[in-house]
Amino acid sequence: DVKVTQSSRYLVKRTGEKVFLECVQDMDHENMFWYRQDPGLGLRLIYFSYDVKMKEKGDIPEGYSVSREKKERFSLILESASTNQTSMYLCASSLGVSAFQPQHFGDGTRLSIL
Amino acid sequence: DQQVKQNSPSLSVQEGRISILNCDYTNSMFDYFLWYKKYPAEGPTFLISISSIKDKNEDGRFTVFLNKSAKHLSLHIVPSQPGDSAVYFCAATGRDDKIIFGKGTRLHILP
Repeated sequence: DVKVTQSSRYLVKRTGEKVFLECVQDMDHENMFWYRQDPGLGLRLIYFSYDVKMKEKGDIPEGYSVSREKKERFSLILESASTNQTSMYLCASSLGVSAFQPQHFGDGTRLSIL
Repeated sequence: DQQVKQNSPSLSVQEGRISILNCDYTNSMFDYFLWYKKYPAEGPTFLISISSIKDKNEDGRFTVFLNKSAKHLSLHIVPSQPGDSAVYFCAATGRDDKIIFGKGTRLHILP
């Protein structure tokens, strides 16, 4: 079974802090994704990565950056946290082959910015 | 502009009856359509998918129907069970492996 692990279930930080959210997958997947989920807005893609050291902007990248130094780990960075970044953050991974493969999600990190 | 739309924020269905969740899309280039189920405080779980070249896919109590001419898909759950109470996300993907999600429909199964 695919396991996507997010380092924290709950996190509370202060405005202006630099925040790191970590995600690790154990299935050698090429693709990794970061989403945020907000009530009434569904899941919105922040950044994704098709391979080590590669990154692509999603639909809402402003205020975020990512790092993928190793295949299994994809980090989301809030450069200077703001209250509008309070949200549920979800990491996902998928096998990067030509045939369709669904994304597998972690359990999420609920981040509160005070 | 929303490419995947779930127009019903919530739906209530009696236990044992059929639940039908609907989804519309605008991009005719999507290759696959998916449904995810999400419980509170958990990540979404992949439920079922359908290729754009098919019109039906069935897996146990879950069936997804695709109407390409109408750009519409639906998820049927029969019979509905209490454990089916969750938020269901419709999603679509093309050749770039990105998945576009709808805003979700909260399904309540009533005893």
